[in-house]
Amino acid sequence: GAGVSQSPSNKVTEKGKDVELRCDPISGHTALYWYRQSLGQGLEFLIYFQGNSAPDKSGLPSDRFSAERTGGSVSTLTIQRTQQEDSAVYLCASIGAGRGSETQYFGPGTRLLVL
Amino acid sequence: DAKTTQPNSMESNEEEPVHLPCNHSTISGTDYIHWYRQLPSQGPEYVIHGLTSNVNNRMASLAIAEDRKSSTLILHRATLRDAAVYYCILVNNAGNMLTFGGGTRLMVKP
Repeated sequence: GAGVSQSPSNKVTEKGKDVELRCDPISGHTALYWYRQSLGQGLEFLIYFQGNSAPDKSGLPSDRFSAERTGGSVSTLTIQRTQQEDSAVYLCASIGAGRGSETQYFGPGTRLLVL
Repeated sequence: DAKTTQPNSMESNEEEPVHLPCNHSTISGTDYIHWYRQLPSQGPEYVIHGLTSNVNNRMASLAIAEDRKSSTLILHRATLRDAAVYYCILVNNAGNMLTFGGGTRLMVKP
């Protein structure tokens, strides 16, 4: 596709359930980011993948959050035992080679609501 | 960590220039200054970025202070479609976003 895509667009789940959010980056982009945006707030960095390097997980808020990037392309963000405070928009972005001079391309986000 | 500081909100009249400031006093020598904007219910989109010199593109201009401790995003003629939250972001050369400003919510009045 032409841009970054994310699925599902919206997800409603019950407290305590696990959810998986998917990100399809731009083909050929080696770096991928996940962010979280709570209502009315700015972007909160969660995790960063760059090629085959170990991911930067420094932004993950708890061990209930994890992410994988298989084959250097698609990424899945998993939230286990969801809590109401996990409700937010989860944004994915990709970048060509992960250099500071490059543009990040954001997906439309997944809106997660935990009841 | 390097941090950025932006005003929470600004107002502009349509077709007038807008200057959106950002302070980043702890920026390091290899950090790029990026600006993104986020329209309602959309993901952020790239606006412009620079390292040391001022930059122009079709969307905006970026003026970077000589000491690089601040920058200003300039929209030359604001339109109603420019109403968005504008984020000033520092990115190191490994592509890691060091921090986000809280963003400036720009309101454009007709």
